[in-house]
Amino acid sequence: DAGVIQSPRHEVTEMGQEVTLRCKPISGHDYLFWYRQTMMRGLELLIYFNNNVPIDDSGMPEDRFSAKMPNASFSTLKIQPSEPRDSAVYFCASSSQGVKPQHFGDGTRLSIL
Amino acid sequence: GENVEQHPSTLSVQEGDSAVIKCTYSDSASNYFPWYKQELGKRPQLIIDIRSNVGEKKDQRIAVTLNKTAKHFSLHITETQPEDSAVYFCAATLSGNTPLVFGKGTRLSVIA
Repeated sequence: DAGVIQSPRHEVTEMGQEVTLRCKPISGHDYLFWYRQTMMRGLELLIYFNNNVPIDDSGMPEDRFSAKMPNASFSTLKIQPSEPRDSAVYFCASSSQGVKPQHFGDGTRLSIL
Repeated sequence: GENVEQHPSTLSVQEGDSAVIKCTYSDSASNYFPWYKQELGKRPQLIIDIRSNVGEKKDQRIAVTLNKTAKHFSLHITETQPEDSAVYFCAATLSGNTPLVFGKGTRLSVIA
């Protein structure tokens, strides 16, 4: 089992640029979660999907953030335009319905200059 | 919705001593309580979990206890070692189709 795979591992870009983070969940898992982690706010749930359908996006901070899951093996989190306060580590996690726990990817460390 | 409080935020112990981290939750319907360990620069990794039909669970030096009446659960690490130094997160949820709600984390330092 390859685990949850995220790319890129690190991203440094300038304010105003579009950023796209990618996630491949564990095969067979039908829940996918996007989290943001900062020192100040800890682990925040941004959005989660069940069977590729967004269930709750109330954690998405602004309209600049969007997420998609076009199929069971791929999801993206997009920030457009990016701002310095978006700098954080973004984690993707997946789990099976009715069975926890969530398994986390290695995260994307995002720095917006 | 669920709210999880975690204490302490930082904890320092001497190598070989025990460490205890406590969490409380608000939703009495929650029935799944995992603990994650996050080393510096790494992803959170599940170290132990407990379901509400169990009061205590052990795995080598790690144990978790659950008190559903009081709505709190605790992580116990015995014979701590320097490699136990990390941030530990508790979480709670209804098992099924609701997401985990995480505590703010406890930074554990084991001093050799």
